[in-house]
Amino acid sequence: EAQVTQNPRYLITVTGKKLTVTCSQNMNHEYMSWYRQDPGLGLRQIYYSMNVEVTDKGDVPEGYKVSRKEKRNFPLILESPSPNQTSLYFCASSMGRYGTQYFGPGTRLLVL
Amino acid sequence: AQKVTQAQTEISVVEKEDVTLDCVYETRDTTYYLFWYKQPPSGELVFLIRRNSFDEQNEISGRYSWNFQKSTSSFNFTITASQVVDSAVYFCALSVPNTGNQFYFGTGTSLTVIP
Repeated sequence: EAQVTQNPRYLITVTGKKLTVTCSQNMNHEYMSWYRQDPGLGLRQIYYSMNVEVTDKGDVPEGYKVSRKEKRNFPLILESPSPNQTSLYFCASSMGRYGTQYFGPGTRLLVL
Repeated sequence: AQKVTQAQTEISVVEKEDVTLDCVYETRDTTYYLFWYKQPPSGELVFLIRRNSFDEQNEISGRYSWNFQKSTSSFNFTITASQVVDSAVYFCALSVPNTGNQFYFGTGTSLTVIP
């Protein structure tokens, strides 16, 4: 089944404790992206990647890192999480820059 | 700059009524893509439709229809004979490949269909 998977689905952590949210897709998509969803703000793009080793900032990249060492994986790293990073995070992928983005199930993060 | 505006924050309708969700976009590029996604209470984001800027034909899919008008920079979504299962948050989005294919989402419209 074609899908985007994220892990973990739920995470509670404390300020400053480094964490990684994994994202994997099995559709051989070049383009992958991370978003955060906050009430009243819709979805905002954090980082995106056009292909392996090619990443770029979205609208809200501060406090986040990403890497794209393999085509199928695009982990999101929070090196020192803060409470304002409490949010619902979505990973997405698409076939190239013109494609439709398909989303993972979301990761709900709470930073205390 | 690119922007998507969904002015309707929340809408409630009674089952079987028709409802239109508005989406207004801003971009200076001539090549762009518009999308609608549905987010049901379970939280996942479900793709509904994708249109490119060169195709202004309206589209119908079952009870769903979309009206794309470049003259007013709008891409409105109509649900005919609404059902309780249509209750969800609906997002309109814009993609402009020349900017690196960033996606720009509106803030969403929460639709409640009352039985």
